[in-house]
Amino acid sequence: GAVVSQHPSWVICKSGTSVKIECRSLDFQATTMFWYRQFPKQSLMLMATSNEGSKATYEQGVEKDKFLINHASLTLSTLTVTSAHPEDSSFYICSASPGTGENTEAFFGQGTRLTVV
Amino acid sequence: GQNIDQPTEMTATEGAIVQINCTYQTSGFNGLFWYQQHAGEAPTFLSYNVLDGLEEKGRFSSFLSRSKGYSYLLLKELQMKDSASYLCAVKDSNYQLIWGAGTKLIIKP
Repeated sequence: GAVVSQHPSWVICKSGTSVKIECRSLDFQATTMFWYRQFPKQSLMLMATSNEGSKATYEQGVEKDKFLINHASLTLSTLTVTSAHPEDSSFYICSASPGTGENTEAFFGQGTRLTVV
Repeated sequence: GQNIDQPTEMTATEGAIVQINCTYQTSGFNGLFWYQQHAGEAPTFLSYNVLDGLEEKGRFSSFLSRSKGYSYLLLKELQMKDSASYLCAVKDSNYQLIWGAGTKLIIKP
């Protein structure tokens, strides 16, 4: 199957600093990538849809100025958590699909465990 | 609104069979997916159903009834490594995946 690589797999940062997470599709081009957040024992929550060459679409309640998304190429999307606070500590996962059809499965990156201290 | 319901947690015995149910109410339907997620890891794809009926893949099978808004994932010959969360997800009319909260499956020896 298709491969999505996410980096870093874990990061610890100080409160008030910014953290960048990268998501790459290694063997296919993805015009759209998705960023999720998952708190312990909870489901995946879609944060935003990243669109290559245009602005990301954010879900209701997600601050676009805090979670900056850049989709500069067909194989790379980045999520920057700005001025991170302890409540931003979570598991962040990206996904992408080679196509958009009904039976196109989503491939996930390995996830990034963010801890803000 | 859109809603996907799954049991929060289930327990089964090694070697046995377990069925995890999923009911959904979404704006449109373009397929139902089952994913497995081990703690601290990303979800991995298990199965896809878009037509009514049973899809079998080794020890795992998935069933869909679109008229009932219902699916189940059947796991046979359970192994300890099957202990994980199982996520049901539906693609809506916009081809966006709507996720259930997941079912944590605990396998006991």
